Amino acid sequence: EPEVTQTPSHQVTQMGQEVILRCVPISNHLYFYWYRQILGQKVEFLVSFYNNEISEKSEIFDDQFSVERPDGSNFTLKIRSTKLEDSAMYFCASSVPSDRMNTGELFFGEGSRLTVL
Amino acid sequence: AQKVTQAQTEISVVEKEDVTLDCVYETRDTTYYLFWYKQPPSGELVFLIRRNSFDEQNEISGRYSWNFQKSTSSFNFTITASQVVDSAVYFCALINNAGNMLTFGGGTRLMVKP
Repeated sequence: EPEVTQTPSHQVTQMGQEVILRCVPISNHLYFYWYRQILGQKVEFLVSFYNNEISEKSEIFDDQFSVERPDGSNFTLKIRSTKLEDSAMYFCASSVPSDRMNTGELFFGEGSRLTVL
Repeated sequence: AQKVTQAQTEISVVEKEDVTLDCVYETRDTTYYLFWYKQPPSGELVFLIRRNSFDEQNEISGRYSWNFQKSTSSFNFTITASQVVDSAVYFCALINNAGNMLTFGGGTRLMVKP
């Protein structure tokens, strides 16, 4: 069964460094998302992406964050200058298959844990 | 704006007890989807169920059952005869029909003791 894959599974970085988290959404999906979960807290929406542009973003998604679909398969989240509070699990998701009825379900990857020291 | 509230932050039960996890939601949309996800200690989000706003039939899947009450904007989840492997954080979530923002509740940590 097709799935969303994320790399790396865990990244440790120094404060101030740039980080790129990578995701390969399910190939026939049209919407892509990034969510964040700080340890022990709720899963928070960051951004949704459709038709090569941001569809919606939350207050968390400030100028330090950017997303890109550099080719036909990858969907990346870049954090320009990491802060300690960026330490979290980042989940990528995709939804809305192009060839079937939309069931509303988001398919999540297994997450990328980011630790900022 | 949409909001999902899980009032129970933590529940502890003994194995074989039944347990109900509460979920209350707010949305202005007339068409929406509700979900439950399980997050085991390993951290991934495991999809459990999806329900659309027009389908108020309750659903049972093995030991799991869901009670959707549109009149009270609730979508509660019951585990019958709980097992230690059910220990996890459970998230209720809502997405609007445009499908561009899934909103999670704060989660309920369920601990099932042997």
